Amino acid sequence: GNSVTQMEGPVTLSEEAFLTINCTYTATGYPSLFWYVQYPGEGLQLLLKATKADDKGSNKGFEATYRKETTSFHLEKGSVQVSDSAVYFCALINTGGGNKLTFGTGTQLKVEL
Amino acid sequence: GAVVSQHPSRVICKSGTSVKIECRSLDFQATTMFWYRQFPKQSLMLMATSNEGSKATYEQGVEKDKFLINHASLTLSTLTVTSAHPEDSSFYICSAREPSGGQNTGELFFGEGSRLTVL
Repeated sequence: GNSVTQMEGPVTLSEEAFLTINCTYTATGYPSLFWYVQYPGEGLQLLLKATKADDKGSNKGFEATYRKETTSFHLEKGSVQVSDSAVYFCALINTGGGNKLTFGTGTQLKVEL
Repeated sequence: GAVVSQHPSRVICKSGTSVKIECRSLDFQATTMFWYRQFPKQSLMLMATSNEGSKATYEQGVEKDKFLINHASLTLSTLTVTSAHPEDSSFYICSAREPSGGQNTGELFFGEGSRLTVL
């Protein structure tokens, strides 16, 4: 079956630090990969996505590259801000998976001044 | 962007009572809505797919008589936890697929979540 593994949090960084949140997946075929973000008190929002190998998704300074050879989709940002504090979820949809999202456990990011 | 709203955001109830959680799509019609459950430090687990005008499709291991889902209109789906017990305490999240999202894009819109505590 499909599964997504994320690094455990919380991750605590100082403002302007470099961020990496690791995500690896297990799936048959060619899944589409996503990062969702959940700010405090709000619902999940799509942050970025990639639909095929070597694609790079990017949004709001965040990037993630679909690496089929390592089955990874690590989230990166060069300089985090306090406003980036949130929970980040890696997820996949497999075309053979009935159009259902499979989520990782989420990684909480705390950015301090 | 599209907005999905859940209510209530927090609810505390006594063991044995039933609790209803509403999920509304505020600016689009959703023929399909999804209900997830999240335990602390675990991933969101899909419970069921709610289809407007028909019965919900439940994931394996989810008791349909325990978690009643009703999708009576294109903007509202409800999840009722019947005869709740402490082990039902969890964070419940709904999502809705905007019709223009297309197939297999993953562009769902999520509610804020509802935290249920059963005493």
